[in-house]
Amino acid sequence: KQEVTQIPAALSVPEGENLVLNCSFTDSAIYNLQWFRQDPGKGLTSLLLIQSSQREQTSGRLNASLDKSSGRSTLYIAASQPGDSATYLCAAASRYNNNDMRFGAGTRLTVKP
Amino acid sequence: DAGVIQSPRHEVTEMGQEVTLRCKPISGHDYLFWYRQTMMRGLELLIYFNNNVPIDDSGMPEDRFSAKMPNASFSTLKIQPSEPRDSAVYFCASSPSGRRTGELFFGEGSRLTVL
Repeated sequence: KQEVTQIPAALSVPEGENLVLNCSFTDSAIYNLQWFRQDPGKGLTSLLLIQSSQREQTSGRLNASLDKSSGRSTLYIAASQPGDSATYLCAAASRYNNNDMRFGAGTRLTVKP
Repeated sequence: DAGVIQSPRHEVTEMGQEVTLRCKPISGHDYLFWYRQTMMRGLELLIYFNNNVPIDDSGMPEDRFSAKMPNASFSTLKIQPSEPRDSAVYFCASSPSGRRTGELFFGEGSRLTVL
């Protein structure tokens, strides 16, 4: 059974700092890996989707990488801003059933002005 | 498009009462998912539909939970009878098929409190 882990559970950084959020998964047979943002009391917003054949995806100040062999993905946020404060979750979809998506518990990010 | 729409946003009920949560997926999306989020267990998939047909309900915790999708624009998740341990945020999400398969779009959730 796929297990997805995100460390650290919480992270606090000063504004302007570059940061990396980590996601690890136990089963490398994935269809894709997705990063989401969740604001308090809100739903999840998809940030980046990396297909299993890809190594990375970029959107603005965000860059997500995928290394299936090591079971790792990272989300890099450049020049962090207070508006980036949220919980970031990663989710891995199974290669055998791409609708079987396992979520990590998330990293709660606080960017201090 | 307005996105995935869920109602109610908040529900407080007493143990034993029936609860019905509603979801309108994004138009044109073939897949609809119901998730539950708690502090202890995180996000868990309860059930998902493809073209209105339930495909996998192995995540539904008990027979007290049921879900339907009578048409492409509407789904319900029902809990009868409700129990305090059902308190959680219930999310509906939809996903397109084709090139963007797997990209999930979530609603804002229904926060359920069972007293």
